[in-house]
Amino acid sequence: DTGVSQNPRHKITKRGQNVTFRCDPISEHNRLYWYRQTLGQGPEFLTYFQNEAQLEKSRLLSDRFSAERPKGSFSTLEIQRTEQGDSAMYLCASSLYRENEQFFGPGTRLTVL
Amino acid sequence: TQLLEQSPQFLSIQEGENLTVYCNSSSVFSSLQWYRQEPGEGPVLLVTVVTGGEVKKLKRLTFQFGDARKDSSLHITAAQPGDTGLYLCAGDDGNNRLAFGKGNQVVVIP
Repeated sequence: DTGVSQNPRHKITKRGQNVTFRCDPISEHNRLYWYRQTLGQGPEFLTYFQNEAQLEKSRLLSDRFSAERPKGSFSTLEIQRTEQGDSAMYLCASSLYRENEQFFGPGTRLTVL
Repeated sequence: TQLLEQSPQFLSIQEGENLTVYCNSSSVFSSLQWYRQEPGEGPVLLVTVVTGGEVKKLKRLTFQFGDARKDSSLHITAAQPGDTGLYLCAGDDGNNRLAFGKGNQVVVIP
């Protein structure tokens, strides 16, 4: 399967703990996006990378959130000092530069107790 | 933030019936995409429409982009249980961000 992959698929953590998620995009895609989806809502944009450069961050991305894409391939999203409000599905997508089609991974479901 | 309103939010129909769901906005989009999402999974891309008035067909699914590129519709002919899912529309604002609606939850009863 050469689609977008995300790990882990599920994460349960206690409030105040740090968590890190990984996304592996489609291999030739140079753009990578992170979205967050809560119950009953559509996905909301968080941030995106073109190669290793983080080009935009939503105001939804508080200081406790950090994303990296060090070599322009996989990306990590870290949440520090998790709060119950961080419980959501975190989705990663990738696309080719100048293409408007984004392909999503299966997501990481985070539950903060 | 460009808002996309999807209607109806929930639709339940019998197998074999036709249905249409809508995606509306007051904003113009450079393109609009439709996805289908199953519970616990990521959205799967169905189609991208770019040109105002464009119509695209994917087997029994017909997608239309409004002339002003502000709205879209999805029509399913002879719905089957496998069509059950959450249909999401997403507009590209030209800045590489997708703005999603809340989705149309479709349930096809055998």
